[in-house]
Amino acid sequence: DAGVTQSPTHLIKTRGQQVTLRCSPKSGHDTVSWYQQALGQGPQFIFQYYEEEERQRGNFPDRFSGHQFPNYSSELNVNALLLGDSALYLCASSARTALVETQYFGPGTRLLVL
Amino acid sequence: GNSVTQMEGPVTLSEEAFLTINCTYTATGYPSLFWYVQYPGEGLQLLLKATKADDKGSNKGFEATYRKETTSFHLEKGSVQVSDSAVYFCALNDYKLSFGAGTTVTVRA
Repeated sequence: DAGVTQSPTHLIKTRGQQVTLRCSPKSGHDTVSWYQQALGQGPQFIFQYYEEEERQRGNFPDRFSGHQFPNYSSELNVNALLLGDSALYLCASSARTALVETQYFGPGTRLLVL
Repeated sequence: GNSVTQMEGPVTLSEEAFLTINCTYTATGYPSLFWYVQYPGEGLQLLLKATKADDKGSNKGFEATYRKETTSFHLEKGSVQVSDSAVYFCALNDYKLSFGAGTTVTVRA
């Protein structure tokens, strides 16, 4: 049973560019959450998708947007990249109907903005 | 809002030593509590969880008990190994995970 997968593993962009990161949830999971982890810090919640809609959002600007597809996979888009967007981007999946909703993480995409 | 405060590191131990990482939380209601571990260059792995007061989560020799009266969820392991070297994160779940800053643990042979 495959766990959460993310692509690409690494990415280098320049300021002002746009980037799209992808995530496939664990089998049986219907909810996808995205987190940003800056170097040496804990992950920060960006947003969560369920039933193809953004359900919750953290304190991130509108430059960060996302999408969830009918097969529950998800994309994170970041426009007008800033140097400060350099981070590890983590996707986590969970099952909304589980007795205890537990999030399982993918390996992350490391984004470097130059 | 809900938040987690975690013992600052780094923590350096010798093999077979006892490990404790303190974690306290602030929350409305009674969220589920988690410990995640991150090995170098990897994503987060779920280590253990507890869903209500007095629950004890355990896995791979690690344990943590959900203490409502002290709003704590301290992580312990009785005898650490070099392979336990990693960053440990305490987190609470109220639809989203709120993480502590992480504690870097290094175990020396």
